[in-house]
Amino acid sequence: DGGITQSPKYLFRKEGQNVTLSCEQNLNHDAMYWYRQDPGQGLRLIYYSQIVNDFQKGDIAEGYSVSREKKESFPLTVTSAQKNPTAFYLCASSIRWTEAFFGQGTRLTVV
Amino acid sequence: GENVEQHPSTLSVQEGDSAVIKCTYSDSASNYFPWYKQELGKGPQLIIDIRSNVGEKKDQRIAVTLNKTAKHFSLHITETQPEDSAVYFCAAGTPNQFYFGTGTSLTVIP
Repeated sequence: DGGITQSPKYLFRKEGQNVTLSCEQNLNHDAMYWYRQDPGQGLRLIYYSQIVNDFQKGDIAEGYSVSREKKESFPLTVTSAQKNPTAFYLCASSIRWTEAFFGQGTRLTVV
Repeated sequence: GENVEQHPSTLSVQEGDSAVIKCTYSDSASNYFPWYKQELGKGPQLIIDIRSNVGEKKDQRIAVTLNKTAKHFSLHITETQPEDSAVYFCAAGTPNQFYFGTGTSLTVIP
């Protein structure tokens, strides 16, 4: 089955720790995106990548980092510099800004 | 950058009635307008989309209209059913960016 897979589904982080969220797709899509979802605020773009080895900051990139070494993978690292990391994180992929397919999300909680 | 506004934030309708959700956008360069449905604890799924060269698109009980001059687009769901209850997001895209509205929580009352 083709699709986009995020892991883990739930993640707990201690203050001061970096954590990495995984996103893998087997849809052969060039573009991949990371969004953050907070209650009442919709989806906000963190980073996006339209091709391997290239990525761009979205609206709320501070405190996050990404890499795109393979077409299939676009991991997101939430660094200790992100002051309010508790949120629902969604990864998506698409063929260059057309229909975006979303993963099931990772819920990150700082403890 | 693009600014997408979505109204209402919550909507309750009786089963069988119609539901309408409206969005406005600011960037006239936007040319792709998708609508996503998100069920609790899951990622959003595309339900319908429209491009700027089309004024209206329909898929069974769901339709979307686009007014490029006024920069607004709307989602219409007819004959609503309890399984339509979810959060709906509109979005507006350009070649460089893709922005979502803040979502509408739709509740269909049986």
